[in-house]
Amino acid sequence: DVKVTQSSRYLVKRTGEKVFLECVQDMDHENMFWYRQDPGLGLRLIYFSYDVKMKEKGDIPEGYSVSREKKERFSLILESASTNQTSMYLCASHSGSYNEQFFGPGTRLTVL
Amino acid sequence: QKEVEQNSGPLSVPEGAIASLNCTYSDRVSQSFFWYRQYSGKSPELIMSIYSNGDKEDGRFTAQLNKASQYVSLLIRDSQPSDSATYLCAVNMFSGGGADGLTFGKGTHLIIQP
Repeated sequence: DVKVTQSSRYLVKRTGEKVFLECVQDMDHENMFWYRQDPGLGLRLIYFSYDVKMKEKGDIPEGYSVSREKKERFSLILESASTNQTSMYLCASHSGSYNEQFFGPGTRLTVL
Repeated sequence: QKEVEQNSGPLSVPEGAIASLNCTYSDRVSQSFFWYRQYSGKSPELIMSIYSNGDKEDGRFTAQLNKASQYVSLLIRDSQPSDSATYLCAVNMFSGGGADGLTFGKGTHLIIQP
């Protein structure tokens, strides 16, 4: 079974803090993704990566950056957290041409 | 503009009946279509994928795809209370290359009434 893990289930940070969300997958997948999910807005793609050190902007990259130094790990960085970044953050990965993505358990981030 | 549309519900179905969930998408060149189930407070779980026109069956689930109408549906037979969840339709809308993420609908909230 594909396993995608995220570093925290719940996180509380203060406005202006730098926040790191970590995601690790154990299936040697090339492609990894970060989404956020908000009530009424659904899941929206922030960034994705199709190889080590490669990254592509998704639909809502503003205020975020990413890092992929190793194939199994994809980090989402909030350079200066703001209250409008309070959300559920979901990491996913896939390998192959059909894009069947498997999600981690999610991190519920609250920015105060 | 990439869009995936779903009726938000709630859709209420008696136990044992067939639940029918629908989804339309905007990008005519889309190739891959997925249904995810999401329980409250949990992450989405992939339950069906479909890539060609027609029906695909897996247990109590059937996915139906009509590319000409840009329409994909999910049927759940013999609905059980454990099927109560939000169902997300997702479409892989290619934009020219690379491993694009999925575009998700906002989900349909399904309630199976015992």
